[in-house]
Amino acid sequence: DVKVTQSSRYLVKRTGEKVFLECVQDMDHENMFWYRQDPGLGLRLIYFSYDVKMKEKGDIPEGYSVSREKKERFSLILESASTNQTSMYLCASSLWVDRDRSGEQYFGPGTRLTVT
Amino acid sequence: GENVEQHPSTLSVQEGDSAVIKCTYSDSASNYFPWYKQELGKRPQLIIDIRSNVGEKKDQRIAVTLNKTAKHFSLHITETQPEDSAVYFCAASTDGNKLVFGAGTILRVKS
Repeated sequence: DVKVTQSSRYLVKRTGEKVFLECVQDMDHENMFWYRQDPGLGLRLIYFSYDVKMKEKGDIPEGYSVSREKKERFSLILESASTNQTSMYLCASSLWVDRDRSGEQYFGPGTRLTVT
Repeated sequence: GENVEQHPSTLSVQEGDSAVIKCTYSDSASNYFPWYKQELGKRPQLIIDIRSNVGEKKDQRIAVTLNKTAKHFSLHITETQPEDSAVYFCAASTDGNKLVFGAGTILRVKS
């Protein structure tokens, strides 16, 4: 079974703090993703990584950065947390596939971040 | 870039009835369309997917249809059961790796 874990289920931070969210997968997946989930807005991609040290901006990268130093670990960093970053953060991983195949994304349990 | 719209945002059905959720996409290069189900407090999980070379795919009580010309695809759930109550997300992809998700549909099955 694919296992994707996230460092915290719940996190409360103050405005201006630097926040680290970590994600680890144990299936040797090339792709890792960070999403933000808000009611009525679905799952919005923040950043995507298809290899160690490689990253691509998603749809809403502003205010976030990422780090992928090892294949199994993908970190999301909020340099200076703001109240509008209060949300549920979901990590996912999948195999890299070519155009003719498809890779199921396996999600972590999520981190509910509150910024006060 | 790709944009995926999903309707309705909420759907209530009686147990045993059918439920249909519709999505439209904007990028004609999209060729992969998965559906994820998220139960309350749980993580999203893939339930069915379809590629653009197929018009319909079934898996027991769920089916997905794709109309490439109109750029829309739908999820059909027959004989709904209480355990079908969840949030359903459609998504589209041009390469099978990066997904663009719809906003989600809350399905409530009333018993």
